Amino acid sequence: DSGVTQTPKHLITATGQRVTLRCSPRSGDLSVYWYQQSLDQGLQFLIQYYNGEERAKGNILERFSAQQFPDLHSELNLSSLELGDSALYFCASSPRQGAGDTQYFGPGTRLTVL
Amino acid sequence: DAKTTQPNSMESNEEEPVHLPCNHSTISGTDYIHWYRQLPSQGPEYVIHGLTSNVNNRMASLAIAEDRKSSTLILHRATLRDAAVYYCILSLAGNTPLVFGKGTRLSVIA
Repeated sequence: DSGVTQTPKHLITATGQRVTLRCSPRSGDLSVYWYQQSLDQGLQFLIQYYNGEERAKGNILERFSAQQFPDLHSELNLSSLELGDSALYFCASSPRQGAGDTQYFGPGTRLTVL
Repeated sequence: DAKTTQPNSMESNEEEPVHLPCNHSTISGTDYIHWYRQLPSQGPEYVIHGLTSNVNNRMASLAIAEDRKSSTLILHRATLRDAAVYYCILSLAGNTPLVFGKGTRLSVIA
């Protein structure tokens, strides 16, 4: 158990819909990262927040957005869903944002878009 | 981004040591070398990391070449639970998101 929690565990929805994935970081961790894992693209970094502020952006689509709240939990919002958005979405947290920091991953949310 | 090269797959017998290689010839002086693994149906899990010196922890050892252009993750006694995809990742100074490659799929045979 990494200490990072993600809800829901599974999500099935239809194309065109909007969903929200939630992540609670380990106690005391200030950085939250979102990653997407699909069969054809592998694990890809989407976005990072540090203490409520966006710090880095990866291959995140404009239809996707995220935020980190004052209690440090984070939400990833996916809208106008397409079949290709079906994937595992992982959240990770780390104490700070240094290059040597370990990232602790949650169990993931499996999104299926039908 | 600095890249790493790993074999696609490796196989080991249970209770034998496993050496997983990683080449990173374009590494810069401030890049950390991280190893993560992903067991089936789970999120990635931290294994070990280092900068210049060899490192040991309860899970594994990390041997870093003197010129830092390659490294080796050593599992001292492979168990069936160690069957996973192992990722060697360079953490760029000042840029902390992890860039995952395809990794090495380790199979452990009983």
